[in-house]
Amino acid sequence: DSGVTQTPKHLITATGQRVTLRCSPRSGDLSVYWYQQSLDQGLQFLIQYYNGEERAKGNILERFSAQQFPDLHSELNLSSLELGDSALYFCASSVSGNTIYFGEGSWLTVV
Amino acid sequence: AQSVTQLDSHVSVSEGTPVLLRCNYSSSYSPSLFWYVQHPNKGLQLLLKYTSAATLVKGINGFEAEFKKSETSFHLTKPSAHMSDAAEYFCVVTYTNYGGSQGNLIFGKGTKLSVKP
Repeated sequence: DSGVTQTPKHLITATGQRVTLRCSPRSGDLSVYWYQQSLDQGLQFLIQYYNGEERAKGNILERFSAQQFPDLHSELNLSSLELGDSALYFCASSVSGNTIYFGEGSWLTVV
Repeated sequence: AQSVTQLDSHVSVSEGTPVLLRCNYSSSYSPSLFWYVQHPNKGLQLLLKYTSAATLVKGINGFEAEFKKSETSFHLTKPSAHMSDAAEYFCVVTYTNYGGSQGNLIFGKGTKLSVKP
């Protein structure tokens, strides 16, 4: 158990809908990262937050957004969902300059 | 640009034989290097990490990796493969930014390890 908690573990939704994925980082970790893993694209970095502030942005679509709250948990919002958004979404956390730990992921299926 | 290259997309070994998974990274001032393993339908588990201490790093489950700056490599090895080692392995690099904060992770494309009985 990495200490990073993601909910929900599985989610099935229809095209055009909006979903929110939630992540609770390890206790004391200030950085939260979101990654998308799909069969065709592999592991893609989406976005990083550090202590509530956006720190780095990767290949995140405009339909996607994220935030980190004062209690350090983070949410990834995916809207106007398309079939191609079906993927495993990982959250990870770290203390700056230290090891990054991953959650078990949230499986999103768009039908 | 910062990058990491896993030289083999698929490696197949027999149980009890050595494992070598190769990884090269683009040179940088302060790289931190990791190997993660992902078993089917599971999350990413940290195997080991290098963060500028000893160049030979020992990880979990008998794996180790050696940081070779002159070759910009961080290959993962295990003396004797076990059936339970069959999984996908990711080499990952991150860099310390100029301000001292950690940059985002850069993943290799992964190497699928198959272990034959």
